[in-house]
Amino acid sequence: EVQLVESGGGLVQPGRSLRLSCTASGFTFSNSAMSWVRQAPGKGLEWVGFIRSNAYGGATEYAASVKDKFIISRDDSRSIAYLQMNSLKTEDTAVYYCTGGIYYYNYWGQGTLVTVSS
Amino acid sequence: DIVMTQSPDSLAVSLGERATINCKSSQSVLYSSNNKNYLAWYQQKPGQTPKLLIYWASTRESGVPDRFSGSGSGTDFTLTISSLQAEDVAVYYCQQYYSTVTFGQGTRLEI
Repeated sequence: EVQLVESGGGLVQPGRSLRLSCTASGFTFSNSAMSWVRQAPGKGLEWVGFIRSNAYGGATEYAASVKDKFIISRDDSRSIAYLQMNSLKTEDTAVYYCTGGIYYYNYWGQGTLVTVSS
Repeated sequence: DIVMTQSPDSLAVSLGERATINCKSSQSVLYSSNNKNYLAWYQQKPGQTPKLLIYWASTRESGVPDRFSGSGSGTDFTLTISSLQAEDVAVYYCQQYYSTVTFGQGTRLEI
């Protein structure tokens, strides 16, 4: 059974950083691209970015709203994908989901809430 | 970036009736080399994570009831629920994956 479990969310002050983790199981993580999607409270889904597998150079792509601010990385030895979030703003407040793949998403984690507030 | 626009923003349909949600992309999401439309549909019930319903514009995900169907090509797509059930109350999103990823703004479906 595929499982994706996000962790690392919480309350953070504006301007600070936070790193989210997504621990995967039930599939061959090293062969899979991983994506992050966020959802602000009461709002719609917003794609954040993805990281390809190392077979494709581990290349990353980001939404314009987070480019140069967020960094996605992976540790295939531990089956974990990371989302490093820097210079956080109140508008980054959202539930952050990790998903498998870079096209359509048939597996989602339960999400982790990030609240940016002073 | 490709902009996805759904219509309507909200919709009220009676039980057993047909529900139709539209999605328009700002540019074609049809990849000519494989003739596939890079378009998916998701359902998100209150308090739950999104669930994949349809991919490649018309392929139903395993386990999704056959009352859900997707159609369209190029820039115009439709999600149809043929006979609305109470458990279909949700927000529905379209998503393009032709050029990175963008989602539509969502359509709230009520009874």
